[in-house]
Amino acid sequence: AQSVAQPEDQVNVAEGNPLTVKCTYSVSGNPYLFWYVQYPNRGLQFLLKYITGDNLVKGSYGFEAEFNKSQTSFHLKKPSALVSDSALYFCAVRAFMDSNYQLIWGAGTKLIIKP
Amino acid sequence: DVKVTQSSRYLVKRTGEKVFLECVQDMDHENMFWYRQDPGLGLRLIYFSYDVKMKEKGDIPEGYSVSREKKERFSLILESASTNQTSMYLCASSWAPGRAGAHTGELFFGEGSRLTVL
Repeated sequence: AQSVAQPEDQVNVAEGNPLTVKCTYSVSGNPYLFWYVQYPNRGLQFLLKYITGDNLVKGSYGFEAEFNKSQTSFHLKKPSALVSDSALYFCAVRAFMDSNYQLIWGAGTKLIIKP
Repeated sequence: DVKVTQSSRYLVKRTGEKVFLECVQDMDHENMFWYRQDPGLGLRLIYFSYDVKMKEKGDIPEGYSVSREKKERFSLILESASTNQTSMYLCASSWAPGRAGAHTGELFFGEGSRLTVL
């Protein structure tokens, strides 16, 4: 079955430290991979995507993600965390199912950045 | 600035009531989606639409219906609300390059509608 896993429900990081939010996937074919962020009481916002090319992709707000085909992972990273990065982060993969493309979503990881 | 607008941010309804959630996008997107978000479950697709008057069931369509009479508007209907439909509902839209039903994966979301059914 095609799936996305975010193994951590919550990640705590001190402000200024590097952060990583993990994502692994299982999908047929070449994956399109995405990260979205949800701030409290808001809808989701697109952060970045990997389709092809360089394994390190850069996105909004200083975030980047590294695609690792052998480990089927797409971890989200930032070199120096800000308190304002505190939010819910979702990983997603585009998959072909039932004659249509759909997004398969992870359960989300709550990121808490402490001052 | 591109926008997906959901008509109500917060609603409180009683069991058995009919509930309408409206969504409008101003980006001329072909695709529109309704998701339900519950803690620990991520996003679950209820219905999606690739064109006017066209709809496809998602993962959890039971208890819901949808309507897309105009390209910019996609409505979610709960015919008879139940307490287990208390949730956050998210509408999204996306561009469809090429053939109908194509999907880039880059979605634009509304602010969400938090529904409580008593």
